[in-house]
Amino acid sequence: EAGVTQFPSHSVIEKGQTVTLRCDPISGHDNLYWYRRVMGKEIKFLLHFVKESKQDESGMPNNRFLAERTGGTYSTLKVQPAELEDSGVYFCASSLAYKGTARNEQYFGPGTRLTVT
Amino acid sequence: TQLLEQSPQFLSIQEGENLTVYCNSSSVFSSLQWYRQEPGEGPVLLVTVVTGGEVKKLKRLTFQFGDARKDSSLHITAAQPGDTGLYLCASRPYAGGTSYGKLTFGQGTILTVHP
Repeated sequence: EAGVTQFPSHSVIEKGQTVTLRCDPISGHDNLYWYRRVMGKEIKFLLHFVKESKQDESGMPNNRFLAERTGGTYSTLKVQPAELEDSGVYFCASSLAYKGTARNEQYFGPGTRLTVT
Repeated sequence: TQLLEQSPQFLSIQEGENLTVYCNSSSVFSSLQWYRQEPGEGPVLLVTVVTGGEVKKLKRLTFQFGDARKDSSLHITAAQPGDTGLYLCASRPYAGGTSYGKLTFGQGTILTVHP
C-alpha cells in the first residue's frame, strides 16, 4: 500500500513568486493535515481537512496561504506571494479518523522543502 | 495552545549506553505520542500513551506517561547506531469533550549513537 506522497520534494523560488505543493494521502483516508517546520522551530499544524471540508484551519499563518482538497482526494497548498519567512519543510499527513484513540494515527509524507530566496 | 517542552535537544552517546528523553507540559495531555524521524522522511509514530501511569515497551524502548498526564519519557536501553534520529513527542488537544485532529509537537531530540 502506498504511503503519503508529496510533490515536489524540494522547491527553490524567489520572494514574490507563487508555489503550489501537492499531497496525495493514503487511499481511503478522509483526514488530511498540513504541517510546517521552519528552521530551529517545532513542527506546527497548519490545517485539517475532513474529506473536502476544512475542519480546522487555525494554524494557517495568513491569507497568502490557500489550501484546497477538491473531491476529497489529493490536496494542494499554494503560497502566493511567497516571503522569506515561508521557508521550511511542509509535511502532509493523513488518517482514517481523528476522534478518539483508535484509527486516528497520522501517517506523514516525506515533506517538501521550500526555500524562498 | 498547549506547549510541549522536550529535553535534551541534543544527545550524543556511545553504543550500548542508556538514555532518557523527556517531554513536559504545564497542561494535561489527552494523549501523548512519540515519533521518530529520519533525514528526508516524515515522522513515524512509535507509540501512543493515553492513561496516566501507563508504561509501554517496544523492544529496547520504554515509554512512560506521568500519573498526572503532564509529562512523558522515552527510555532507550543499550542504544545502537540504528537508533540515531530525531525523536519527537506530540499531543492532541482535547477540550470540553471535543477531540481535535491537530498535533502539537515538541522541538525534538536529536540522538546520535556512535559505534
